[in-house]
Amino acid sequence: DAGITQSPRHKVTETGTPVTLRCHQTENHRYMYWYRQDPGHGLRLIHYSYGVKDTDKGEVSDGYSVSRSKTEDFLLTLESATSSQTSVYFCAISEGGHREYEAFFGQGTRLTVV
Amino acid sequence: KNQVEQSPQSLIILEGKNCTLQCNYTVSPFSNLRWYKQDTGRGPVSLTIMTFSENTKSNGRYTATLDADTKQSSLHITASQLSDSASYICVVAGGSQGNLIFGKGTKLSVKP
Repeated sequence: DAGITQSPRHKVTETGTPVTLRCHQTENHRYMYWYRQDPGHGLRLIHYSYGVKDTDKGEVSDGYSVSRSKTEDFLLTLESATSSQTSVYFCAISEGGHREYEAFFGQGTRLTVV
Repeated sequence: KNQVEQSPQSLIILEGKNCTLQCNYTVSPFSNLRWYKQDTGRGPVSLTIMTFSENTKSNGRYTATLDADTKQSSLHITASQLSDSASYICVVAGGSQGNLIFGKGTKLSVKP
């Protein structure tokens, strides 16, 4: 899995609680991404980072925030989890932007909000 | 609207048989088209990446084709194996921001 570790792999949380998912890479790639995967949808981009402290919104960013204080770590935070955020979350990395560079995906985090 | 449509949604074949998965896209501007394999419970893994100037690319028993004029791609799997059971996702890089636009995938089951 191209040196990408997501943690936790599974989490069950209650509505209204904060949740942080972590993505750690050992490839020193500049770009990191958070996607969510839901039945009936293709993967959808939540947020991405193009360098330390440089982040931008994706297609479905509402209710999520991110931080990247080190090249190797990209955190996704749900400030107040809702049932609609029950999903499988994937982190991805690439050397450069998606337009030209291959993306490598982590194994995913299955989040259930009850 | 930028979209990637895949067919069929699901497919069952016998081990050793060939199959072809289809992908149609309406993404502009177009940068490249990718096929990923996603095993159950795992992240997607890249099989091929093709730019508009490439019309065929192979990776072992997997052969992808691209017709940039008709905006269609196919993934052909030869001599299927049980380990080919997975979802196959067509992805187009493009649009105004150069993001990845994902299809919903084709779920392939290979039976003995």
